Amino acid sequence: GAGVSQSPSNKVTEKGKDVELRCDPISGHTALYWYRQSLGQGLEFLIYFQGNSAPDKSGLPSDRFSAERTGGSVSTLTIQRTQQEDSAVYLCASSDGSGANVLTFGAGSRLTVL
Amino acid sequence: EDQVTQSPEALRLQEGESSSLNCSYTVSGLRGLFWYRQDPGKGPEFLFTLYSAGEEKEKERLKATLTKKESFLHITAPKPEDSATYLCAAITGGGNKLTFGTGTQLKVEL
Repeated sequence: GAGVSQSPSNKVTEKGKDVELRCDPISGHTALYWYRQSLGQGLEFLIYFQGNSAPDKSGLPSDRFSAERTGGSVSTLTIQRTQQEDSAVYLCASSDGSGANVLTFGAGSRLTVL
Repeated sequence: EDQVTQSPEALRLQEGESSSLNCSYTVSGLRGLFWYRQDPGKGPEFLFTLYSAGEEKEKERLKATLTKKESFLHITAPKPEDSATYLCAAITGGGNKLTFGTGTQLKVEL
């Protein structure tokens, strides 16, 4: 597609529920990133994919967080047993893997845990 | 641990009043220093990459510069449409992740 698409744009859930956030990267982009942005905080790295593999998942905050990428394209970030501190905007970005590391971001999924 | 610090946190300018935003970094093996612009409700939008000390890049009213310890984003004669949060980020060593600062929220008033 023309840009990085994320869904849902907004998600309100109750504490303890599981949520899935989806990212459609730019067609042909081999690298995909997930970041988290909390109010007043910078972007916090979560995980990086090259193709379907995740060579760097060092930013996932706990084992409640997982992500996968299939077909070298769509990625899903899953948060199990959500907590209030998980409330944030989750941003996905992709790049062409050329080494220039220029990330194109989606508009984000805003998660609110009540 | 890699650290990127931006200042000021917020900046209010009058239209036409030039200023600079600062990004200082403490990283091992800088491979690139990035500037992004973020508008409310949107994802960050790429502006510049700088690779080595002394490098400068320009785009319209924006000029980014890089030294061995910090980067500056100079805004010349800003307009209200330049209002946004400006983020800098560093990529280091053999890794592929960008480490972001917390941003400078710029507001340009008429």
